[in-house]
Amino acid sequence: SQQGEEDPQALSIQEGENATMNCSYKTSINNLQWYRQNSGRGLVHLILIRSNEREKHSGRLRVTLDTSKKSSSLLITASRAADTASYFCATVGRGRRALTFGSGTRLQVQP
Amino acid sequence: KAGVTQTPRYLIKTRGQQVTLSCSPISGHRSVSWYQQTPGQGLQFLFEYFSETQRNKGNFPGRFSGRQFSNSRSEMNVSTLELGDSALYLCASSFNHEVNTEAFFGQGTRLTVV
Repeated sequence: SQQGEEDPQALSIQEGENATMNCSYKTSINNLQWYRQNSGRGLVHLILIRSNEREKHSGRLRVTLDTSKKSSSLLITASRAADTASYFCATVGRGRRALTFGSGTRLQVQP
Repeated sequence: KAGVTQTPRYLIKTRGQQVTLSCSPISGHRSVSWYQQTPGQGLQFLFEYFSETQRNKGNFPGRFSGRQFSNSRSEMNVSTLELGDSALYLCASSFNHEVNTEAFFGQGTRLTVV
């Protein structure tokens, strides 16, 4: 079963705009990871944020984590058409090793 | 460094048959996990292997099994295939068994059961 939900389910923006995706989860975690998937292919690891971290950056990506609200957000700045993909958050729960995925956000960036 | 390699990429099988999927992790990675992705259930964890031992198992029936070899390559097997087993099967490798280790995924094997 899914750990939580991602919001929105789908997002369509213009190239150059920022895209923000949110993820909520249900249980205590060790870390939260974000992945990108293009058209039903493999998942590409984007960023890992540990439970004791609040914010992390990687290039045009910014991830925040609020463990008190059990939520995370992924911000993609200055989006490009190549960013078009599905984005998934995944958590590693306390005492566990497996990734539990959210339902994903489909991002469409219009050129 | 080569990424995670899954073979075959596509597979069509008939109900009742069995299937074996293969995963070669990134060189030096010792942990391999398997996930099933379907439109209805999303991404779900099947099992994880580390040092040839199954360390974690998801909530799947016994028809789903796996193993890991001494070179860290892993196989998963599904017996008595059902239509609902049609899915994208993804393999992920990690350097070790630590919880804060990134997982790197292969391109997946798309299994269609007819």
